[in-house]
Amino acid sequence: DADVTQTPRNRITKTGKRIMLECSQTKGHDRMYWYRQDPGLGLRLIYYSFDVKDINKGEISDGYSVSRQAQAKFSLSLESAIPNQTALYFCATRTPGNTEAFFGQGTRLTVV
Amino acid sequence: GENVEQHPSTLSVQEGDSAVIKCTYSDSASNYFPWYKQELGKGPQLIIDIRSNVGEKKDQRIAVTLNKTAKHFSLHITETQPEDSAVYFCAASMGEYGNKLVFGAGTILRVKS
Repeated sequence: DADVTQTPRNRITKTGKRIMLECSQTKGHDRMYWYRQDPGLGLRLIYYSFDVKDINKGEISDGYSVSRQAQAKFSLSLESAIPNQTALYFCATRTPGNTEAFFGQGTRLTVV
Repeated sequence: GENVEQHPSTLSVQEGDSAVIKCTYSDSASNYFPWYKQELGKGPQLIIDIRSNVGEKKDQRIAVTLNKTAKHFSLHITETQPEDSAVYFCAASMGEYGNKLVFGAGTILRVKS
């Protein structure tokens, strides 16, 4: 089983719909991150969390919200999806300090 | 602001040749610089990293160099093979205690056989 699991892997949704992307990890890491990948723009940070009570905005948090339900679970929500939120979304985990980030397989989201 | 610039955006090399990807970062406090490889349909995976107290690090055919004064770091792949074809991302730690990783825009590497 993967250490960082994202569900769903693919999703097509309509403009204005609410959608939740889920991430769970078995690595026991405190820190969890949501990134968005767009061609030519790399990986941009949406939100990150250091524990259940600590949520921080990244560089592109507008239009998104998150929930850290437990140490192992970190969900990303689009309250009212719009077409320019069509992208590949990645969840990642890290331990504190200068350490490796472990990524999930990604969720490809299409908003029509 | 917090940013990392990466060049080139695409790179084609002949099998056996070397490939070099360069990055520049904005935050002089950054002290951790990982490189990730992303294969089609997968999440990025760490291939090598370097910390600010080291100028160069090697792992078989892969090496990374860091120039803290110039805020530059580079990935060098020697004797490239078709399986090296992928997207490569550089990143730098930023923010309080380096808790955020800020990524470059990525380089598509194609190794022609």
